[in-house]
Amino acid sequence: DSGVTQTPKHLITATGQRVTLRCSPRSGDLSVYWYQQSLDQGLQFLIQYYNGEERAKGNILERFSAQQFPDLHSELNLSSLELGDSALYFCASSVAGAGPPTDTQYFGPGTRLTVL
Amino acid sequence: DQQVKQNSPSLSVQEGRISILNCDYTNSMFDYFLWYKKYPAEGPTFLISISSIKDKNEDGRFTVFLNKSAKHLSLHIVPSQPGDSAVYFCAASYMGSQGNLIFGKGTKLSVKP
Repeated sequence: DSGVTQTPKHLITATGQRVTLRCSPRSGDLSVYWYQQSLDQGLQFLIQYYNGEERAKGNILERFSAQQFPDLHSELNLSSLELGDSALYFCASSVAGAGPPTDTQYFGPGTRLTVL
Repeated sequence: DQQVKQNSPSLSVQEGRISILNCDYTNSMFDYFLWYKKYPAEGPTFLISISSIKDKNEDGRFTVFLNKSAKHLSLHIVPSQPGDSAVYFCAASYMGSQGNLIFGKGTKLSVKP
């Protein structure tokens, strides 16, 4: 158990809908990262937050947005969903968002999103 | 355009033998390389890392080798155990990336008893 929790574990929805994925980081971790793993793809970095502020953006679609709240949990909002958005969405957390070697990312178990 | 490539989707090895997982990269700015291990229905877990200024890092049964001139790294597992059966992801980061990791597609390792 990494200490990072993600809810829900599974989500099935229809095209055009909007969903919210939730992540609670490990206790003491200030930075949260979101990754997407599509079929046969590696994990693609989407966005990073540090202590409530957006720190870096990756290949995140405009239909997607995220935020980190004062209690440090984070939410990833996906809207106008398309079939291609079906994927595993992972949240990771780290203490400082500084990267290796001092700052290890710990991953949650992921949320599997299926868009029908 | 994939900056981190794992060209072997799967690898099967006998228990007790050596497992060698390979990874190639294209970005010369990468200064840290990591291996993550993932079991089904779980998130990736950090396994071992190596700085670009080193060519080898060892941790128990796991050793990572880095060949900068070839832009290639490999993970050696000796001896392989059935519990090592998992998907292994190679990842890289560079200074200024805020710690964000660029992952390969993964290699599924099966260790047969």
